[in-house]
Amino acid sequence: EPEVTQTPSHQVTQMGQEVILRCVPISNHLYFYWYRQILGQKVEFLVSFYNNEISEKSEIFDDQFSVERPDGSNFTLKIRSTKLEDSAMYFCASRSGPNTGELFFGEGSRLTVL
Amino acid sequence: AQSVTQPDIHITVSEGASLELRCNYSYGATPYLFWYVQSPGQGLQLLLKYFSGDTLVQGIKGFEAEFKRSQSSFNLRKPSVHWSDAAEYFCAVGQNTGNQFYFGTGTSLTVIP
Repeated sequence: EPEVTQTPSHQVTQMGQEVILRCVPISNHLYFYWYRQILGQKVEFLVSFYNNEISEKSEIFDDQFSVERPDGSNFTLKIRSTKLEDSAMYFCASRSGPNTGELFFGEGSRLTVL
Repeated sequence: AQSVTQPDIHITVSEGASLELRCNYSYGATPYLFWYVQSPGQGLQLLLKYFSGDTLVQGIKGFEAEFKRSQSSFNLRKPSVHWSDAAEYFCAVGQNTGNQFYFGTGTSLTVIP
């Protein structure tokens, strides 16, 4: 069964460092998402991406965040200068099209900022 | 504004007992509704979804949910809970576009022997 894969599963970084989280969405999917979940809190939307551009972003997704689809398979989330409050589980998700509804999630990348 | 409310933060049930997890949503149009489950350290797995049609939907692992438009609810049920059902359950509402899903705060389920 096709799945969304994310790397790394866990990354520890120092405050102020840049981090790149990688995702490989399901191959025929067209819509891509990043969500985050701070420990013990709800799953929060960060950004959606379609046709090589951001289609929607939340207030959380400020100038420190960026997304990119550098090739035909990867979808990355970059945090330029990490803060302590960026510590969270980051989930990538993909969706095949507008009328299929369901998001398929990866297993997440846990980011710890020290 | 769209929102999802899960009123129960934590529920404890005995193994074999029935379960109902509540979900209420606020949405302007006909919503797409979902229940996801998250086991410790794992990602989000889809249990079931409602787009249209029959308001009682069946999902995996013996779960079902009923869409009640009049109550803006989409409660998740299981007639007999198993110890392996202990997890975090999230209700979500989405659109038939490429844009975001809205998640509830989750309900943590503990199953006691």
